[in-house]
Amino acid sequence: QVQLQQSGPGLVKPSQTLSLTCAISGDSVSSNSAAWTWIRQSPSRGLEWLGRTYWKSRWYNDYAVSVKSRITINPDTSKNQFSLQLSSVTPEDTAVYYCAREKGFGVLRLDYWGQGTLVTVSS
Amino acid sequence: QSVLTQSPSASGTPGQRVTISCSGSSSNIGTNTVNWYLHLPGTAPKLLIYGNYQRPSGVPDRFSGSKSGTSASLAISGLQSEDEADYYCATWDDSLNGWVFGGGTDVTVL
Repeated sequence: QVQLQQSGPGLVKPSQTLSLTCAISGDSVSSNSAAWTWIRQSPSRGLEWLGRTYWKSRWYNDYAVSVKSRITINPDTSKNQFSLQLSSVTPEDTAVYYCAREKGFGVLRLDYWGQGTLVTVSS
Repeated sequence: QSVLTQSPSASGTPGQRVTISCSGSSSNIGTNTVNWYLHLPGTAPKLLIYGNYQRPSGVPDRFSGSKSGTSASLAISGLQSEDEADYYCATWDDSLNGWVFGGGTDVTVL
């Protein structure tokens, strides 16, 4: 059974960097048949995919255009986890952030999700 | 503002059948398979349907999915009080090169 455990601060000041970590059990961040994603949910924007990292002979990243200039998703193979960094945050980045596993070829699915972390951007 | 369009609410009495629709375009639903999620506030979204109609292990067969063209549907038959939740559709978008979601449908059991 795959489990994703999120950690990170729930309050970030404007202009600072939001940092969250997602620890994986039951699978490997280096799996060549999965991608590791970050998604957020807010009342104003609904569910919004932020980006993903995955291993296919080398590491790849894909990011949403809306955050591409501010986002970094990094794998940590030594701890079997991956992280999200979102820089220069504003109150519009206030949301519940989820990590999730993406699985499948041709039948893509986000099948396991973390518990969610409410991040508030406020001074 | 969501890329996929869902009606905001649906309701039914216990035992009834409720259908939720999800409308997209050729770059998302028209090309890729659709997933459906059940979401209760404060919890992680739960995968109900993937590949348009496939159910993960443990999901009751009361839940069924279908797709036609650029639209998809989720049907809940034999509605139960525990089915009260938000339901979201999701799929990959080839133009945006990312996942897109519906705005969610709030299902109420009367």
